Amino acid sequence: GESVGLHLPTLSVQEGDNSIINCAYSNSASDYFIWYKQESGKGPQFIIDIRSNMDKRQGQRVTVLLNKTVKHLSLQIAATQPGDSAVYFCAERSSYKLIFGSGTRLLVRP
Amino acid sequence: NAGVTQTPKFQVLKTGQSMTLQCAQDMNHEYMSWYRQDPGMGLRLIHYSVGAGITDQGEVPNGYNVSRSTTEDFPLRLLSAAPSQTSVYFCASIDSYNEQFFGPGTRLTVL
Repeated sequence: GESVGLHLPTLSVQEGDNSIINCAYSNSASDYFIWYKQESGKGPQFIIDIRSNMDKRQGQRVTVLLNKTVKHLSLQIAATQPGDSAVYFCAERSSYKLIFGSGTRLLVRP
Repeated sequence: NAGVTQTPKFQVLKTGQSMTLQCAQDMNHEYMSWYRQDPGMGLRLIHYSVGAGITDQGEVPNGYNVSRSTTEDFPLRLLSAAPSQTSVYFCASIDSYNEQFFGPGTRLTVL
């Protein structure tokens, strides 16, 4: 069936360094991908999205890259800050249905 | 705007009990959905609604019922609670730009 998965369950980075969180998806027909940030005890928070007709999209300190050839999605966070510590989920959307990956925990070392 | 609100925040049930998780949004979004999140896992879609009077099943609908009598409210009913339904439940709505807004969640424990 359809699935979205993550390569690394935990990522530890030094404050100020760049972070890269990866995600693989299996449904080549998905046309919309989203990254969410979830802090402990809270609901997911939208970070950035990208449509399948794009390869790259930039936001404030974040960049999402989409490689449709290998069905791979990544989230890059520039100058990682302590406030970036959270669990990050990628999700693919088909119609109104979101399929989530299992999440990557980002730990920022001071 | 209050955004998406959920009640209760915490609930403990005994096996076989029924209850309703409440969800409301004041953003006039047509689309609303319910997810469950188990420890260390992503969110899984239970049910969703594309407008008042219209609901459909997601990935894991068994054991849950929904209704959508108004645009604002989208309650989730557990008919006969089971320990496997112990989870955190999130309600969400989507705006016209396809951004999902999540509520704070309801943490449910079934003994």
